[in-house]
Amino acid sequence: GDSVTQMEGPVTLSEEAFLTINCTYTATGYPSLFWYVQYPGEGLQLLLKATKADDKGSNKGFEATYRKETTSFHLEKGSVQVSDSAVYFCALSGGSQGNLIFGKGTKLSVKP
Amino acid sequence: EAGVTQFPSHSVIEKGQTVTLRCDPISGHDNLYWYRRVMGKEIKFLLHFVKESKQDESGMPNNRFLAERTGGTYSTLKVQPAELEDSGVYFCASSRGAGFSGYTFGSGTRLTVV
Repeated sequence: GDSVTQMEGPVTLSEEAFLTINCTYTATGYPSLFWYVQYPGEGLQLLLKATKADDKGSNKGFEATYRKETTSFHLEKGSVQVSDSAVYFCALSGGSQGNLIFGKGTKLSVKP
Repeated sequence: EAGVTQFPSHSVIEKGQTVTLRCDPISGHDNLYWYRRVMGKEIKFLLHFVKESKQDESGMPNNRFLAERTGGTYSTLKVQPAELEDSGVYFCASSRGAGFSGYTFGSGTRLTVV
């Protein structure tokens, strides 16, 4: 069945460091891909998405490109801030009704 | 617009008791989803309503879980009787159409069964 694999955390970075969180997927068909973020004490928020191959999603300085040839959707940010500390989830839409399949989540801590 | 609201935010119950979680979707969103994250594991799909009808309940773990959506508005998820392995965070989400473009999640209910 469809699945998402993302790098295990936790990831600890210093402020202004470069961030990459790897995400690969297995899917039949052509799913949409998402990154969700959960800040401490809050719910899941959609960070960015891409709906077809070679699309680049971007938001708040984060970017991810839908790579069909490598079945990947890696999340990147050039310069992280303390406020980016959160848990990041990679997901794909599966099934006929857009149900989401999530990775396990990667906890990011950014130190000043 | 108001977001997806879930309550309670936390619930601690004893094994064998009953708990009911509630989700109020964004007004006008016909699609309502329940997900669950058990500690350290993936967030997993439980079920999907379109209005008041269950479109897909393939993720419901067993018959101790009962979800309803009366009148196509708010939804409840009842666990009866609760077991230790039911502990986790239960998320609700809603969308206007089918969720291929993503949907809006609530803050979740953290359920602890002791």
